[in-house]
Amino acid sequence: AQKVTQAQTEISVVEKEDVTLDCVYETRDTTYYLFWYKQPPSGELVFLIRRNSFDEQNEISGRYSWNFQKSTSSFNFTITASQVVDSAVYFCALSGPDKETSGSRLTFGEGTQLTVNP
Amino acid sequence: NAGVTQTPKFQVLKTGQSMTLQCAQDMNHEYMSWYRQDPGMGLRLIHYSVGAGITDQGEVPNGYNVSRSTTEDFPLRLLSAAPSQTSVYFCASSYSSASEYEQYFGPGTRLTVT
Repeated sequence: AQKVTQAQTEISVVEKEDVTLDCVYETRDTTYYLFWYKQPPSGELVFLIRRNSFDEQNEISGRYSWNFQKSTSSFNFTITASQVVDSAVYFCALSGPDKETSGSRLTFGEGTQLTVNP
Repeated sequence: NAGVTQTPKFQVLKTGQSMTLQCAQDMNHEYMSWYRQDPGMGLRLIHYSVGAGITDQGEVPNGYNVSRSTTEDFPLRLLSAAPSQTSVYFCASSYSSASEYEQYFGPGTRLTVT
């Protein structure tokens, strides 16, 4: 069974602070994919990044960076110099093979509400 | 490219009423799915489809039906609405059901059942 845990329900920071959102996952599969999605106040979900289980290189995209560590089953997301526009709910998700259907199963964490105050 | 569209954006139903949430995508994606989002529970899969004519149940299918007569459309039907179905519903599509493809989400439908 797959499981994703985002232990931080809510985080509040002041603009320009760095903030890290934690994501811990459980799976028995050797091949799987990890995702981060952003849900701004407008409500839609926006895809941010995908990582496969064989690629542990960290990734940086502008102010965003992701740290994938298989040894601790974690895929943490850091926002550097946060801005008010970063305020959103962020979801970590895990996709792996669904043996019952030969397709895949996407499991979401509970989400972390990030509030960036001016 | 409109992406994934959902109608309506908001809906209020009385207990026992039925209705259909519409979902359409114009990306020729094989895989489509419905999720519900409840506070503190993330998104949970209701039903999904790997292609026209093929549907299957997800994690929380009770009280919902789906059909997929075309690649583009994937409506979700509430058979007899209950207050427990008050939620935000998201439709999503993906190039295929394989693990590596990200899903594209619609704007959501906020449903209240009184």
